[in-house]
Amino acid sequence: QSALTQPRSVSGSPGQSVTISCTGTSSDVGVYNYVSWYQQYPGKVPKLIISDVSKRPSGVPDRFSGSKSGNTASLTISGLQAEDEADYYCCSYGGSYEVFGRGTKLTVL
Amino acid sequence: EVQLVESGGGLVQPGGSLRLSCAASGFSFNMYWMHWIRQAPGKGLVWVSRIYSDGSSPTYADSVKGRFTISRDNAKNTLYLQMNSLTVDDTAVYYCARDSRHSIDLWGQGTLVTVSS
Repeated sequence: QSALTQPRSVSGSPGQSVTISCTGTSSDVGVYNYVSWYQQYPGKVPKLIISDVSKRPSGVPDRFSGSKSGNTASLTISGLQAEDEADYYCCSYGGSYEVFGRGTKLTVL
Repeated sequence: EVQLVESGGGLVQPGGSLRLSCAASGFSFNMYWMHWIRQAPGKGLVWVSRIYSDGSSPTYADSVKGRFTISRDNAKNTLYLQMNSLTVDDTAVYYCARDSRHSIDLWGQGTLVTVSS
């Protein structure tokens, strides 16, 4: 049940693309296609932005996309906007447990 | 309105106990797995516990196993978390959350638990 590994911070300029990685193990990310991503603004409740590795819930802009290769999942945000500045967390189902990443702070320069 | 409302948080001394509740409304509570997730001040999200829709198969993070107990009352549309032997490391906002095919699609506003002498 070790936390998934995410970069502590990433940054990009408006209009650019950024990718946030999320590395787990062969017991969670590597074996289940149940990786989800959450966006959280300071003092606010997290919001689901990607489910099942790459599915976007209704209302989430198509600038947000997800993928997975082996034990590593990724969240890509294209066409960065100022409003994308937030904390991002990945989460994986692991059968008998769930596990979050430690979070990545996205700064829009 | 579809919502989750937590209650029961507060200040407790180390070694003490607390019971959190989460009232669900606006959806068929008995059809969903439910979770407790916590976030220490200034820190990240940490999964705490999960329970199936029928109240079976409770599972826990290693950090709370043997001290916390998750349960639910589907007749009352309520999720619970009994927390015993609390330590300062348990200080956090505790979120009640709804599972939708292994992702969290609905979060409560959270209830703050502070463990301090």
